[in-house]
Amino acid sequence: AQSVTQLDSQVPVFEEAPVELRCNYSSSVSVYLFWYVQYPNQGLQLLLKYLSGSTLVKGINGFEAEFNKSQTSFHLRKPSVHISDTAEYFCAVQSGGSNYKLTFGKGTLLTVNP
Amino acid sequence: DTGVSQDPRHKITKRGQNVTFRCDPISEHNRLYWYRQTLGQGPEFLTYFQNEAQLEKSRLLSDRFSAERPKGSFSTLEIQRTEQGDSAMYLCASSLAGSHTEAFFGQGTRLTVV
Repeated sequence: AQSVTQLDSQVPVFEEAPVELRCNYSSSVSVYLFWYVQYPNQGLQLLLKYLSGSTLVKGINGFEAEFNKSQTSFHLRKPSVHISDTAEYFCAVQSGGSNYKLTFGKGTLLTVNP
Repeated sequence: DTGVSQDPRHKITKRGQNVTFRCDPISEHNRLYWYRQTLGQGPEFLTYFQNEAQLEKSRLLSDRFSAERPKGSFSTLEIQRTEQGDSAMYLCASSLAGSHTEAFFGQGTRLTVV
């Protein structure tokens, strides 16, 4: 069975600073990886996903993530954050055995301060 | 079509009562999912429909829970004899068929059992 670990439950940063949100996964088969964002009182929105090919994936709102198979990681990065990036971020995995079911991490609350 | 719609947004009920939630997916999406999110946790998969067929149910879905999608369009999730442990956010998502297609989430129904 697959699982996802988000190492930081909260990450506070100042506006215009870079940020990295960490995600590690475990799975015995091939994996497909996703980052979702949840703004207050909103549903989850897909930021980016890795299915195959280039290990560096670019998403919406200037976010990118790098798939590292040897370290079983899929960390999310942004070079310069804005106040509007304040939200909960979830890493999720689909294993090769299921092409529809998402297994989520516990989430990381990113708070961007002025 | 503005996305996945869930009703109600909030529900407070007394322990032992039955509740029913509704989800209207994006109209052309034939896949529909229910997830549950408790405080401090990521969403957890409950069940999945392809058109009107319920193809997978999580072990989290006890006998008190039942989900339907009678005509392959909207779906309902009913919880009978609610317990305090059922308090959570219930999220609905939909997607097109195919491998690793993007799931679009609704804003959720927040259930509080008192």
